[in-house]
Amino acid sequence: EDQVTQSPEALRLQEGESSSLNCSYTVSGLRGLFWYRQDPGKGPEFLFTLYSAGEEKEKERLKATLTKKESFLHITAPKPEDSATYLCAVQAHGSSNTGKLIFGQGTTLQVKP
Amino acid sequence: NAGVTQTPKFQVLKTGQSMTLQCAQDMNHNSMYWYRQDPGMGLRLIYYSASEGTTDKGEVPNGYNVSRLNKREFSLRLESAAPSQTSVYFCASTPGQPPYEQYFGPGTRLTVT
Repeated sequence: EDQVTQSPEALRLQEGESSSLNCSYTVSGLRGLFWYRQDPGKGPEFLFTLYSAGEEKEKERLKATLTKKESFLHITAPKPEDSATYLCAVQAHGSSNTGKLIFGQGTTLQVKP
Repeated sequence: NAGVTQTPKFQVLKTGQSMTLQCAQDMNHNSMYWYRQDPGMGLRLIYYSASEGTTDKGEVPNGYNVSRLNKREFSLRLESAAPSQTSVYFCASTPGQPPYEQYFGPGTRLTVT
């Protein structure tokens, strides 16, 4: 069964304290892995797509990496405005015609000034 | 471009009442999706439409029906609302071809009493 597990569930950081969020997945052939940011009361906002092991994507203080079993979202020198819930999702090769994604439960990040 | 829009933003229903949640996208995307998001459960797929004229069940379809009205619009109907359907509902769309990331609407917060 295709599955996505994110850890930790919640993370508190001081401003400037770098850390990483983990997304572990089991899927029958990975088509793509997606990272989203979700602010309270809003819909998920797309951040990155990773397609193959070894791939990396960067945006401001965020860097996403991918291995054959997991993905990491590295946050460098975070600021309070980075506080949000970060969601990971995968798409299996068999789902490419439908576009279906399987989501993890998310990591809620709080960055204190 | 407005992206993905949803109406209403908030709704309170009594048990047994019916309602339709509306979703529209202006990105000329082929595929559209309805999710529900509950605390601790993550995003769960209710129904999806891989292309205009087709709809399929997702992970949690019971108690819901959908209509893909045209390429732009995808509605979700609750025929007889139950308290278990209290949730936040998100609509999403994707081009249906690479890249496969989904773009989400702002959500509808539904309470069934």
